[in-house]
Amino acid sequence: GAVVSQHPSWVICKSGTSVKIECRSLDFQATTMFWYRQFPKQSLMLMATSNEGSKATYEQGVEKDKFLINHASLTLSTLTVTSAHPEDSSFYICSARGFGGSYNEQFFGPGTRLTVL
Amino acid sequence: GQQLNQSPQSMFIQEGEDVSMNCTSSSIFNTWLWYKQDPGEGPVLLIALYKAGELTSNGRLTAQFGITRKDSFLNISASIPSDVGIYFCAGQNAGNNRKLIWGLGTSLAVNP
Repeated sequence: GAVVSQHPSWVICKSGTSVKIECRSLDFQATTMFWYRQFPKQSLMLMATSNEGSKATYEQGVEKDKFLINHASLTLSTLTVTSAHPEDSSFYICSARGFGGSYNEQFFGPGTRLTVL
Repeated sequence: GQQLNQSPQSMFIQEGEDVSMNCTSSSIFNTWLWYKQDPGEGPVLLIALYKAGELTSNGRLTAQFGITRKDSFLNISASIPSDVGIYFCAGQNAGNNRKLIWGLGTSLAVNP
């Protein structure tokens, strides 16, 4: 149980284009989803938290107009990196948390490697 | 943002050796979590601790929630090559969407 998937697993795009990353909870309903980015040899940095049906809460320093988050259902959240630039290249990881029992902690997706040329 | 002090930063050990790593915080937490991350993958939850003083095992892994609620340690006994990876601690409190506060990670290398 508690499987979280991400798509795509990797993406290469040109500077100025937008990229959408999907995060799905496959076997449980995720009331809350989190989006992180991770640079090489560093820890995870929380970008934003989204509750189903509500606007995402962004961490300080994260541009909400650049990193658009949609959490339209209990099993799907999307992160869109708009007008991507090389400095946005990173490893993006989502996590999902359900309610009650063994789904009460965060379970992580496998990550999406974004490279902006 | 806030990060936890995790040590050691890296370890290189021989297969079969025991490993110990710890995490400290200036503030208290209600929950301590330990994750392992393999290269190019997301973190996987190893052990969750919910009560001060709690000692919990998961196979060869043992973790404890410090009595002051400001620290936790993780032990790995009889290490094997597949233990290689980066281990992260994380603290969590109720409220604020219960977001995780992360340690900086301990990179473990095991020499067969």
